[in-house]
Amino acid sequence: QSVLTQPPSASGTPGQRVTISCSGSRSNIGSNTVNWYQQLPGTAPKLLIDNNNQWPSGVPDRFSGSKSGTSASLAISGLQSEDEADYYCAAWDGSLNSYVFGTGTNVIVL
Amino acid sequence: QLQLQESGPGLVKPSETLSLTCTVSGGSISSSTDYWGWIRQPPGKGLEWIGSIFYSGSTYYNPSLKSRVTISVDTSKDQFSLKLSSVTAADAGVYYCAKGVAGHGVGVWGQGTPVTVSS
Repeated sequence: QSVLTQPPSASGTPGQRVTISCSGSRSNIGSNTVNWYQQLPGTAPKLLIDNNNQWPSGVPDRFSGSKSGTSASLAISGLQSEDEADYYCAAWDGSLNSYVFGTGTNVIVL
Repeated sequence: QLQLQESGPGLVKPSETLSLTCTVSGGSISSSTDYWGWIRQPPGKGLEWIGSIFYSGSTYYNPSLKSRVTISVDTSKDQFSLKLSSVTAADAGVYYCAKGVAGHGVGVWGQGTPVTVSS
């Protein structure tokens, strides 16, 4: 059972902005940075946002991350059909002494 | 460019030990700032962190799996491995090996290897 909670799904039309939330606690998001991963169907996950709001090489700036307190968000601007995927937040949990993933959000492009 | 490749049996019997190996190519496994880990994904479900190991030998395991998991590194072969004992059907899924840099997310992933638990 994940300690980071995300909405099961989110959707939007091409060009729209979609936001995904990630709710945690003081021991994970509240005291450590948040990473976001994108998993396209049938493929391995890919690091999308590093350390709350940093872009790994090659990630378009349509994706942006933010953090406030014990919650974090991923925003996708200018939604495209190729953005249809599962998105996971993740953070180190100091109480569990373990990395934890969110429950995952499936983004659908209408 | 660093690449990771998982290998191991795709079918494991209940109560036995699952053993997987990850081979690192295009780079060294001996960097003191890197961590090497395993992540799994049950069919149709989300990602679960299994554990990780640093070059120093320090290991960190998911508390829910800690009693059954061992992750080790073989620097002479540029490989790291996962052993998960006493498997049940709940341990089935795709297993990914992965690499990250201390203080950052998991930047490199293997393609994943499916594991079935059945007699």
